[in-house]
Amino acid sequence: AQKVTQAQTEISVVEKEDVTLDCVYETRDTTYYLFWYKQPPSGELVFLIRRNSFDEQNEISGRYSWNFQKSTSSFNFTITASQVVDSAVYFCALTSPANQAGTALIFGKGTTLSVSS
Amino acid sequence: EAGVAQSPRYKIIEKRQSVAFWCNPISGHATLYWYQQILGQGPKLLIQFQNNGVVDDSQLPKDRFSAERLKGVDSTLKIQPAKLEDSAVYLCASSLDGASGYNEQFFGPGTRLTVL
Repeated sequence: AQKVTQAQTEISVVEKEDVTLDCVYETRDTTYYLFWYKQPPSGELVFLIRRNSFDEQNEISGRYSWNFQKSTSSFNFTITASQVVDSAVYFCALTSPANQAGTALIFGKGTTLSVSS
Repeated sequence: EAGVAQSPRYKIIEKRQSVAFWCNPISGHATLYWYQQILGQGPKLLIQFQNNGVVDDSQLPKDRFSAERLKGVDSTLKIQPAKLEDSAVYLCASSLDGASGYNEQFFGPGTRLTVL
């Protein structure tokens, strides 16, 4: 069975601090896709990044960076110099084409990030 | 490009009543998903459509929930009769082609259902 674990329920930081959100996944498939989504207070899930299982390169996009390590089944997300607008719930998710039942995302429980000024 | 549209945004009903939610996906997207998000948890799939066919409804409580996607575009999710534990946000998502899982899913604003 596939599973995503986000052990950090809530994180509070002060503006300009760096923060890392952890994500650990479980799957027996060799081909799979990992995602991060942001859910601001408005409620709409916003896509941030996709990683496929064959690409372990880390990625940086502005203040955001992602570290994918297959050896530890982790796909962590770091926000550098956090801002108040980063306050949201962040979800890590997994899917794979080998799943005969479909390609729905398997979500973790989410990490609530609060950034204060 | 217009996003995924959902209505209504909020709904309050009494238990045992029925309710319906509507979703209009992004134009051209073949795959449509309905997720249920209970407070404090991540979204969980209820049903996945590929065009107008059902791909996965294994987690849909079929004794009370039903969904359809006529003509492979809009979709409606219905609950009849509602129970207290159905209180949640119902999210609709679409992707260009969900057959491989590669394409990202775009989510609508959700419908917040409260069952009293």
